[in-house]
Amino acid sequence: GIQVEQSPPDLILQEGANSTLRCNFSDSVNNLQWFHQNPWGQLINLFYIPSGTKQNGRLSATTVATERYSLLYISSSQTTDSGVYFCAVALPNTGNQFYFGTGTSLTVIP
Amino acid sequence: DAGVTQSPTHLIKTRGQQVTLRCSPKSGHDTVSWYQQALGQGPQFIFQYYEEEERQRGNFPDRFSGHQFPNYSSELNVNALLLGDSALYLCASSFWTGGYTFGSGTRLTVV
Repeated sequence: GIQVEQSPPDLILQEGANSTLRCNFSDSVNNLQWFHQNPWGQLINLFYIPSGTKQNGRLSATTVATERYSLLYISSSQTTDSGVYFCAVALPNTGNQFYFGTGTSLTVIP
Repeated sequence: DAGVTQSPTHLIKTRGQQVTLRCSPKSGHDTVSWYQQALGQGPQFIFQYYEEEERQRGNFPDRFSGHQFPNYSSELNVNALLLGDSALYLCASSFWTGGYTFGSGTRLTVV
């Protein structure tokens, strides 16, 4: 199956700092999503971004499909941004069967 | 508008027992997918149901089975539980064409 690698695995930031999370994938995909998992286990969909760039408040994401990577940018981080960030991809003709990376665990300290 | 609802939230079972987890999809969604998330790992796809049939299946043994009802709700059954089945089980609902929404999960502990 497709390989999804995320880096860094762990990140500790001071409140107000910026960060970039990376997701590399090993095959062509027709769906890529970024999720935030809160401490209670809830996965929140941040972006649907199989290609291009999107922004939502302090968060933005860019996917370069031809080079098989995606970046998630977090600006002016807040303590509520803490949690695990997952990249998930789906292959064409698989009915949105997602393959998840191992995640980036983000801790924002006051 | 309710999102995806999973029950129970927590469950403790003994090795060898059987367990049933339940999922009610977001209103309007017709597809349900189940994922297993072991501690410190990303979720792994178990299977997906659409029109009451299993459409896709991940690399899980036959001990894992499921069902989708006419109202689109779904059950995940696991037989002959192993210690390694301890995990967070996540349900996601969507339209067949996409639009995933995850539930908060059922945390299963096998002792």
